[in-house]
Amino acid sequence: AQRVTQPEKLLSVFKGAPVELKCNYSYSGSPELFWYVQYSRQRLQLLLRHISRESIKGFTADLNKGETSFHLKKPFAQEEDSAMYYCALSSSGSARQLTFGSGTQLTVLP
Amino acid sequence: KAGVTQTPRYLIKTRGQQVTLSCSPISGHRSVSWYQQTPGQGLQFLFEYFSETQRNKGNFPGRFSGRQFSNSRSEMNVSTLELGDSALYLCASHDRVDSTEAFFGQGTRLTVV
Repeated sequence: AQRVTQPEKLLSVFKGAPVELKCNYSYSGSPELFWYVQYSRQRLQLLLRHISRESIKGFTADLNKGETSFHLKKPFAQEEDSAMYYCALSSSGSARQLTFGSGTQLTVLP
Repeated sequence: KAGVTQTPRYLIKTRGQQVTLSCSPISGHRSVSWYQQTPGQGLQFLFEYFSETQRNKGNFPGRFSGRQFSNSRSEMNVSTLELGDSALYLCASHDRVDSTEAFFGQGTRLTVV
């Protein structure tokens, strides 16, 4: 069975500080990993996907198959980054069936 | 382009009743997925439809069912409601079978009393 673990429910950092949101997964095959974000009063939306190897809003995430991790990082946090972040896994490669982690609420303090 | 639309936004039902929730995907999207979100279990996959056919189903009892119409709109139905069915139900649409992005609706908040 596949599983996604986000060990931190709450994370607070100061503006300008680096931030890392942890995500670990368990899956025997080759998964596709995603980060979704939900800003206050907005819909859940895709932030970035492993397959694209992109940087969005200054965030990056590297898939480490040895450690089965997909941590989300940003070198300098901004107040507008405050949101709920979900790590998600797909066994099929598409986003049509996702296994989500429990989420991390990030607060960036002024 | 209009986003994913879910109706109604809020719903209160009594134990034992049934409920139907609706989801209209983004125009041109043919795949719809449903998720249940609760504080205890988080976001859990319910089922997914493509071209009116259920392609995948999560680990939920048979009281949870769904369907998709020829215009790609989807409905999910929960029969014999239980208090534990109180949740936010999210719908997501996808533009193609191998899409790596899910576009989510605002959700329907169901409260069972």
